[in-house]
Amino acid sequence: KNEVEQSPQNLTAQEGEFITINCSYSVGISALHWLQQHPGGGIVSLFMLSSGKKKHGRLIATINIQEKHSSLHITASHPRDSAVYICAVGRDSNYQLIWGAGTKLIIKP
Amino acid sequence: NAGVTQTPKFRILKIGQSMTLQCTQDMNHNYMYWYRQDPGMGLKLIYYSVGAGITDKGEVPNGYNVSRSTTEDFPLRLELAAPSQTSVYFCASRSEGNTIYFGEGSWLTVV
Repeated sequence: KNEVEQSPQNLTAQEGEFITINCSYSVGISALHWLQQHPGGGIVSLFMLSSGKKKHGRLIATINIQEKHSSLHITASHPRDSAVYICAVGRDSNYQLIWGAGTKLIIKP
Repeated sequence: NAGVTQTPKFRILKIGQSMTLQCTQDMNHNYMYWYRQDPGMGLKLIYYSVGAGITDKGEVPNGYNVSRSTTEDFPLRLELAAPSQTSVYFCASRSEGNTIYFGEGSWLTVV
């Protein structure tokens, strides 16, 4: 079993829908990251969480440390949100990240 | 700030050739990483560095070497390229606040 599991693997939705991507992990962590990989390949950091909730524009990330679970929400989704969303957890002092496999999101107009 | 800069963006190598992927960051970050991403797969750590003069192996170091002579530069060397090294390579650095910055990626094909 992978230490970081994302679901769903693929998600297709209509423009305007509320999107939820989930990340579960099985190890102790110091922080959890959500990143976005554009179709062209570039990777951008969206959030880093160690507790609670963060919001940036239409994106909301939450984490439940006790349940070892995080969610990334997108409100009022738009075709430009189409990308691969990746969850990664940081563990030790050298901060080697353990990566989820990613969720491929397609938003149709 | 330019952030993390990787070169080249695209390269085709013949089997057995060698090459160096360059990575430079201008944010004075101590931690730097090299990842590879195979099609449809997640990132795999090749090597990382916690500061100038210090490097260590990640999950998939075989066939690669790194050096870290300065804080800014973290080049990745491929010796005797093999088709299995066809992949997209990403360099990244981490701030003291644990924010991660990625280069734009280097697409490498070994034929």
